[in-house]
Amino acid sequence: KAGVTQTPRYLIKTRGQQVTLSCSPISGHRSVSWYQQTPGQGLQFLFEYFSETQRNKGNFPGRFSGRQFSNSRSEMNVSTLELGDSALYLCASSFHDSADSPLHFGNGTRLTVT
Amino acid sequence: AQSVTQLDSQVPVFEEAPVELRCNYSSSVSVYLFWYVQYPNQGLQLLLKYLSGSTLVESINGFEAEFNKSQTSFHLRKPSVHISDTAEYFCAVSERGTYKYIFGTGTRLKVLA
Repeated sequence: KAGVTQTPRYLIKTRGQQVTLSCSPISGHRSVSWYQQTPGQGLQFLFEYFSETQRNKGNFPGRFSGRQFSNSRSEMNVSTLELGDSALYLCASSFHDSADSPLHFGNGTRLTVT
Repeated sequence: AQSVTQLDSQVPVFEEAPVELRCNYSSSVSVYLFWYVQYPNQGLQLLLKYLSGSTLVESINGFEAEFNKSQTSFHLRKPSVHISDTAEYFCAVSERGTYKYIFGTGTRLKVLA
């Protein structure tokens, strides 16, 4: 069974641009979550989708948005990029619709904003 | 509010020595507890989890963690570490009835030869 796939692996953008990151969950998983990872801050929760609906959202500005498609694939968009947006963005999927279901992570997209 | 604290940002330890990585959490409701490991240039992988039942849980590679409800802790231990255990370890909590994980800031374990 293929794992969680994130594309691209690396991105370099300049301030003010926008970026779209993609995540394909494990087949059969309907929940997809996004996290921002930076040194010293750990993983910060961005949002979680289940069956195309955003169920939870973290404390990030409106420049960060996402969506989920009917095949459970998800995209995350960041508009008007700032230097502080440089981070590793991780996508995770899970099978069950409950808090005891472990997360399966992709290898992330490393975004560098210059 | 729900939170997870990993007090040690880095833990150096010699090969074959024991190690304990500390994790404390705060929550007003019942929780599920997890430890994840992240190797360089990779995503996180589940190491072990506590959902209910026995408070001592084990992983296949020799790690164990004990849920202590009175101290709201879920420390990770290994009696003898290997070079290959060098990685970053994250403690995570999710509250029953919700679908939201809170992660600690991580502990970098460096095993020295």
